[in-house]
Amino acid sequence: GQSLEQPSEVTAVEGAIVQINCTYQTSGFYGLSWYQQHDGGAPTFLSYNGLDGLEETGRFSSFLSRSDSYGYLLLQELQMKDSASYFCAAPNAGNMLTFGGGTRLMVKP
Amino acid sequence: EADIYQTPRYLVIGTGKKITLECSQTMGHDKMYWYQQDPGMELHLIHYSYGVNSTEKGDLSSESTVSRIRTEHFPLTLESARPSHTSQYLCASSEGEGKGTDTQYFGPGTRLTVL
Repeated sequence: GQSLEQPSEVTAVEGAIVQINCTYQTSGFYGLSWYQQHDGGAPTFLSYNGLDGLEETGRFSSFLSRSDSYGYLLLQELQMKDSASYFCAAPNAGNMLTFGGGTRLMVKP
Repeated sequence: EADIYQTPRYLVIGTGKKITLECSQTMGHDKMYWYQQDPGMELHLIHYSYGVNSTEKGDLSSESTVSRIRTEHFPLTLESARPSHTSQYLCASSEGEGKGTDTQYFGPGTRLTVL
C-alpha cells in the first residue's frame, strides 16, 4: 500500500516563499506528483518528479529525495490566487494515484 | 486545456433514488477514473478504467457501479442513494502512457447531496 503525509494547513504572506512537505511510505515508488485545487474547483496538475532533485516551473518548484522518502513543493512570490489546497500524489504499479491528505495554503495580504 | 465534462454539477436527491453521474472527455484518453472527495479532505479512488469494457474498483469501497462502453464516456450509477453517499464526485482521465508522468485531467465535479 501507499500513504502520503502532508501538513494540513500552511499560512504565508503575499510575496513570500512557502514550502509544502510530503513524506511517503510506498511498496513501490515511481515518482511524486503535485496537484492544486481551489475551493469548489477541480484538481489541476502542477508538477512531477520521477528522479531526485529539483524541477522548476515558473514560480513553482518541486523537489524529491528518494533516499529520504520525502518531497516538497516550493511556491515563490506568493500571490493571493495561490490560496488553495495542494496535494502530493504517488502512482502505483498500475499508475493509479494515491493522494496525500492535502495542505490548505492561505495567503494573507 | 483539458476537455472533460461532468453533469450535473449539483444534485440534491431523496434517499432510495437511482442516480447516474455523467462524465465525458474529448481527448481520446484510454484511462478514466472516479474519485470521491469530502470537503477539505483527500481524494479517494473508487473506480477506474483502462479502456472500453474495462472497469475496476479502486481503493475506497463504494456501492456505486460504472460502465465504459465508449472511450469518451464513463458514467457512475448509484442504484439506491443514501445520505452516506453525500460527497463530491470527481471524474478524471489520462493518456495512459508511462508511469508517474501520466497526468490526470479532472472534470469540475458533481456535488451530491442525499436527503
